[in-house]
Amino acid sequence: DTGVSQDPRHKITKRGQNVTFRCDPISEHNRLYWYRQTLGQGPEFLTYFQNEAQLEKSRLLSDRFSAERPKGSFSTLEIQRTEQGDSAMYLCASSGGGFGNEQYFGPGTRLTVT
Amino acid sequence: AQSVTQLDSQVPVFEEAPVELRCNYSSSVSVYLFWYVQYPNQGLQLLLKYLSGSTLVKGINGFEAEFNKSQTSFHLRKPSVHISDTAEYFCAVRPPSNTGKLIFGQGTTLQVKP
Repeated sequence: DTGVSQDPRHKITKRGQNVTFRCDPISEHNRLYWYRQTLGQGPEFLTYFQNEAQLEKSRLLSDRFSAERPKGSFSTLEIQRTEQGDSAMYLCASSGGGFGNEQYFGPGTRLTVT
Repeated sequence: AQSVTQLDSQVPVFEEAPVELRCNYSSSVSVYLFWYVQYPNQGLQLLLKYLSGSTLVKGINGFEAEFNKSQTSFHLRKPSVHISDTAEYFCAVRPPSNTGKLIFGQGTTLQVKP
């Protein structure tokens, strides 16, 4: 068990470009979460997958954002037509079993939009 | 809707002194409560959680927290801090939904001075 991994760790892109991030959860975990953390703030929930089904999306997830979890394994988060306001740390977390179980967080992907 | 307020953005303290990081939450229903720690350039790590039962919860690294339902608080304490405790600390609640998403406070930076 190597924990939750995210790739890339850092991404610098120009406004208007598309970016895609990947999250590999702990292998036996069926629940996967994406959060966004801006400087000086706590993480904010973006979306949730149970296995391959996307069961909840935050209002923060505009139509420029899309997330997938094919086959219930890794997940991708794509941002189209990036804006400077998208600059943030994007965190992925996974958990298994009941709702009291801990969410294990990855190291995050820091996005900078210039 | 639920919300979390961390009353102090920064808490400076000398090494070996006690510390309390304050957290208040707002919810009309019962919630689960969590404290996470984030070291620089790392993901979040769970310190402790309150699901039910005893209101005094012990976690890793000598931290503990007390759930106070009447005051809707979940303050984090440590009797003697170390330099290595310098980090960002986040209080979070989990609403009683079937997704398990977390709602975080703004964070408190604990600065331990020698």
